[in-house]
Parts: sequence; structure tokens; C-alpha cells
Amino acid sequence: KQEVTQIPAALSVPEGENLVLNCSFTDSAIYNLQWFRQDPGKGLTSLLLIQSSQREQTSGRLNASLDKSSGRSTLYIAASQPGDSATYLCAAPTSSGNTPLVFGKGTRLSVIA
Amino acid sequence: DAGVTQSPTHLIKTRGQQVTLRCSPKSGHDTVSWYQQALGQGPQFIFQYYEEEERQRGNFPDRFSGHQFPNYSSELNVNALLLGDSALYLCASSLPRGNEKLFFGSGTQLSVL
Repeated sequence: KQEVTQIPAALSVPEGENLVLNCSFTDSAIYNLQWFRQDPGKGLTSLLLIQSSQREQTSGRLNASLDKSSGRSTLYIAASQPGDSATYLCAAPTSSGNTPLVFGKGTRLSVIA
Repeated sequence: DAGVTQSPTHLIKTRGQQVTLRCSPKSGHDTVSWYQQALGQGPQFIFQYYEEEERQRGNFPDRFSGHQFPNYSSELNVNALLLGDSALYLCASSLPRGNEKLFFGSGTQLSVL
């Protein structure tokens, strides 16, 4: 059974700092791993999808890495901005295929101006 | 290109009532999944519809049922509402083949009083 854990649960950083969010999963036989952003009371916005054959994906100031052997993924945010404040969720599929996704509880990020 | 749309955005019901939530998938997508997100938690998978049939189901009671229409839109029905059903209900659409990104709607916030 897939379980996803995210550390830390909350993080507060000053504007301009680089930061890393961590995600671990128990079943490494995954097709992919996805990182999402969620603003309070809103839906999820997909940030990055890393296929099992890849080690990392980049989009602007965001970089996500995937290490299947250790069951870990990280989301790196460079030069953080107040607009980055949100909850970041990682999700891995169950071992039976691409879906359903199993989510972590998220990391609540606050970037202080 | 319209993304995933959900209606209504907010809903207030009382215990024992029934509710129907609606979702239109992203253009070109034919697979719809529903998730429940309690406050402070990651989304939990309810079920997935493809070709108008329930293809996968999470650990939710039979009070939760769904339907998919020929145009790929979907409904989530919850009967005999409980206080614990209060949550953000998220709809996600995708293509049925593996390794595809999921796109989420903005959700329906259900409050059961």
C-alpha cells in the first residue's frame, strides 16, 4: 500500500531564500510522481510531473527530483517570493498503475517579505 | 481551452440530506476522478470513471456514488450526509493511459450542519 509523507509540515522563510521541500513514498514501483500547489480553499495546480525514467524536472524557479531507489522526491524553490506562499503537495500513484494518486498532507509554505 | 470546471463552488447542507456535485473535464480528457480533502489533510481518492463506468474505487462507503455521462462530465452523489462529510471535493481529469498528468478543478466546498 502506497503511503506518502511530507516534511516539514510547515515552513516560514524570508523572501529571496532558496528552499527544499521533501516527500517520501513507500512503494517505489511508481510510474511517476507529481507536485501540486494549493492556495487556501482552492483546487490543486499541477507544478511538475516526473516520470519514473527521469531523475528531475524543471519549470522556472522550480526543480523537482526523484530517487525511486530511496523512495524520495524533493521540490527545490529558488529565490522564493511572497507569491510562493501556499501548500505544496506531492502525490504518487498506487503501485497498480497511474492512478489513483496517494497524497501527502502537504507542506504549508510562508514566504515573508 | 477550458480546464476542469466544478459546480457549485460552495454548498451548505444538513445531516441526512443528499447532495450532487458536478464536474466537466478538461477538453480532450475522458477520465474523471473524485477526491475528498478534509481540512489540513491531503486529498483522498473516492472513485474514478471511464467510459461511463466506475473503474476504481477508494475506501468510501456506498453512500458515495457517481455517474459519468456520454460527454465525459461526471456527478458525485452523497446520500445521508454526515457531519464528517464536510470537506473540499475535488474533481480531476486525465487521459486513461499511464504517465499522464492529472488536472484538478477548483473544488466544491461542502459544509454539513
